[in-house]
Amino acid sequence: NAGVMQNPRHLVRRRGQEARLRCSPMKGHSHVYWYRQLPEEGLKFMVYLQKENIIDESGMPKERFSAEFPKEGPSILRIQQVVRGDSAAYFCASSQNRGGYEQYFGPGTRLTVT
Amino acid sequence: QKEVEQDPGPLSVPEGAIVSLNCTYSNSAFQYFMWYRQYSRKGPELLMYTYSSGNKEDGRFTAQVDKSSKYISLFIRDSQPSDSATYLCAMDYSGAGSYQLTFGKGTKLSVIP
Repeated sequence: NAGVMQNPRHLVRRRGQEARLRCSPMKGHSHVYWYRQLPEEGLKFMVYLQKENIIDESGMPKERFSAEFPKEGPSILRIQQVVRGDSAAYFCASSQNRGGYEQYFGPGTRLTVT
Repeated sequence: QKEVEQDPGPLSVPEGAIVSLNCTYSNSAFQYFMWYRQYSRKGPELLMYTYSSGNKEDGRFTAQVDKSSKYISLFIRDSQPSDSATYLCAMDYSGAGSYQLTFGKGTKLSVIP
């Protein structure tokens, strides 16, 4: 049973470019969460999505960041006009049920902005 | 005061030792308490979760929650070099409307052969 899959694993972007991070949840999971881990910092919640719906985006920066989870295909975290401060590890998690606990994480995408 | 405090370590122990990892928190609304293990440059792996106060055991791992003191612990018995990783505590509110986990910064553990 495949776990949560994320791609790419490593992404390098120049300042001003766009970054697209993809997440496929575990089989049977319809709840997806995105977290960001800055160097020397803990994981910080960004957004929670179900298919075709954003449920909670309270942790998402107001500008340049967006997320979607379409009916078909993976969840996408999109960062427009990246800046050096966006360099971080971005993790996706999924759960079977609505609610925070028992979330299973993917391997992460490490974004480097040069 | 941060919602969740966790000593970052590093913590170094000899193989076979009992390891104690701890977190304190300030928000009494937290009801679910999780421990994740994260190897270097990997995603967090859910080890255990506990609801409310009490103990939970799974193999060499025991999780304890003391809600009156707002203090949680993870004990690792007979520690192995393969246990070397960063351990993250995480917490969640109960009930509808709660979706996000609040994490500690993690404690880096090294088990020396």
